[in-house]
Amino acid sequence: EADIYQTPRYLVIGTGKKITLECSQTMGHDKMYWYQQDPGMELHLIHYSYGVNSTEKGDLSSESTVSRIRTEHFPLTLESARPSHTSQYLCASSEYGEGGYNEQFFGPGTRLTVL
Amino acid sequence: GESVGLHLPTLSVQEGDNSIINCAYSNSASDYFIWYKQESGKGPQFIIDIRSNMDKRQGQRVTVLLNKTVKHLSLQIAATQPGDSAVYFCAESPLQGGKLIFGQGTELSVKP
Repeated sequence: EADIYQTPRYLVIGTGKKITLECSQTMGHDKMYWYQQDPGMELHLIHYSYGVNSTEKGDLSSESTVSRIRTEHFPLTLESARPSHTSQYLCASSEYGEGGYNEQFFGPGTRLTVL
Repeated sequence: GESVGLHLPTLSVQEGDNSIINCAYSNSASDYFIWYKQESGKGPQFIIDIRSNMDKRQGQRVTVLLNKTVKHLSLQIAATQPGDSAVYFCAESPLQGGKLIFGQGTELSVKP
């Protein structure tokens, strides 16, 4: 069982609000990731981090920002939420595997609805 | 660009039958492949992985086959059960990378 947590699980918020989605893992993994997933669709990487003070943008452009001040914590922030941000956001983590291979462990996700 | 895709978006099988879910990938440099299972309202759950130096790997009731010649990956589930009903995703990762590239999911529905 993976020890990776996301809060809130569900969030309904009005346009223009600032929101922060929390993600924490207790496995000591250096690598952490944020994915965006629409219902029934594939996961798109929007941010990743390979360690403290390291953050990179993913393959899908996103208006969100992330920070990595502590190994176990990787929050995602939207400064001004819009209806186009409505989606499911999944956080994942992994350790440095042998030869660069790494299984990613996923949290339960946050389903965000912006009205 | 790089892409990973599945041939069938939905698959319906009878309980007890074997299921085969297929996946095509386009990046010949990918060296690591994973199958995930995602149940409704949950995050993806790791099922099985395989490295490119292998063509077959078996787990409990699951087998992954890798055909590098045609860049094809498949997941076989033996004696499919109602609890196997979910969306299945394949993902690939290039050597020395860390990022996973996910394909479109296949929804598996198991009829009792």
